[in-house]
Amino acid sequence: ELKVEQNPLFLSMQEGKNYTIYCNYSTTSDRLYWYRQDPGKSLESLFVLLSNGAVKQEGRLMASLDTKARLSTLHITAAVHDLSATYFCAVDPNYGGATNKLIFGTGTLLAVQP
Amino acid sequence: DGGITQSPKYLFRKEGQNVTLSCEQNLNHDAMYWYRQDPGQGLRLIYYSQIVNDFQKGDIAEGYSVSREKKESFPLTVTSAQKNPTAFYLCASSIRRGQGYTFGSGTRLTVV
Repeated sequence: ELKVEQNPLFLSMQEGKNYTIYCNYSTTSDRLYWYRQDPGKSLESLFVLLSNGAVKQEGRLMASLDTKARLSTLHITAAVHDLSATYFCAVDPNYGGATNKLIFGTGTLLAVQP
Repeated sequence: DGGITQSPKYLFRKEGQNVTLSCEQNLNHDAMYWYRQDPGQGLRLIYYSQIVNDFQKGDIAEGYSVSREKKESFPLTVTSAQKNPTAFYLCASSIRRGQGYTFGSGTRLTVV
């Protein structure tokens, strides 16, 4: 059974600081996704990582994927309050197959303090 | 604009009652999914459908049922057999592998 673990589960950081959220998964996969969820809201797609070594950046967020280590990171640079949200990674365990059934991590609640 | 619509936004269920959550998409996506989210938790897959008239159980299908009679629609029924239905329910759709999901805005179900 595929397990997707994120750490930390909760992250309180000051504005202007850098930090990294980690997403580890337990089986072979070539596709990983990052989502953002604001309180009481739905999920918004942030990044789609489709190959080993993939790196995507949007504003203060950068995501990377290492399929050999079964690890993805979401790096936050110079955090601002607007980045406060819960961040989820999701893995497609059907390596090379046709279905698109994602398994989600437990989420990381990020709180950026002024 | 294309998107995925869930209704209602809030739903209250009495003990022993069945309720149906609506999910409609006009994105022409083949696959649709239902997830459940409990407070402070991640998402758990209830059911998914890759094609019309076909669907598969996810990890927590007990107490739930679905249908997929049209490509655009994937309603979820929470039956009386689901003993702890209070949660946030999210519907999603996707066009193919590697494209990720588009999510609806969610339905918050509460047992009263």
